[in-house]
Amino acid sequence: GENVEQHPSTLSVQEGDSAVIKCTYSDSASNYFPWYKQELGKRPQLIIDIRSNVGEKKDQRIAVTLNKTAKHFSLHITETQPEDSAVYFCALEGGSYIPTFGRGTSLIVHP
Amino acid sequence: NAGVTQTPKFQVLKTGQSMTLQCAQDMNHNSMYWYRQDPGMGLRLIYYSASEGTTDKGEVPNGYNVSRLNKREFSLRLESAAPSQTSVYFCASSEIWGIQYFGAGTRLSVL
Repeated sequence: GENVEQHPSTLSVQEGDSAVIKCTYSDSASNYFPWYKQELGKRPQLIIDIRSNVGEKKDQRIAVTLNKTAKHFSLHITETQPEDSAVYFCALEGGSYIPTFGRGTSLIVHP
Repeated sequence: NAGVTQTPKFQVLKTGQSMTLQCAQDMNHNSMYWYRQDPGMGLRLIYYSASEGTTDKGEVPNGYNVSRLNKREFSLRLESAAPSQTSVYFCASSEIWGIQYFGAGTRLSVL
């Protein structure tokens, strides 16, 4: 199946700074790339996704970029706020239809 | 509209005991999944069901069995629980190459 590596595992920023989380993958058949946010003790929930025919997608302070040639995609959060503190997971799906998740990034936003 | 409902929320078992985790979705999704979440390991797929009547192994199926009872319900069974199965279990549903909707999770401790 697909393999995905997520970095960094922990990211600490000051309120108002930007945060970037990157995922790399190996299967060129991957074509759906969602990002999930999991607050402490809660279930993961989708925050943004991108499909392989699109290079970038934005939703207010959140954006995702995809580079299919280099096989990586990234989550960008601008003007971070304390409520952005959570664990973020990248994921992907491709030819096998089986979703694969990264190991997660713990984002800490300091007020 | 409840989404994905999981029961129980918490469970403590002794080694060797059995139990079944229940999951139901009301979004008419074809695909359903069972994951386990351990610290630093992300979400690992145990079993999935691409459609009613089919089930397949994921990344970590050993020690588990599943049943896709109908389109709505997908259960996970531990026949003889082991301490290594202490984890948080999430059920999810989706369409192929679509957003995963997660249940609230089951925290399982095996003593």
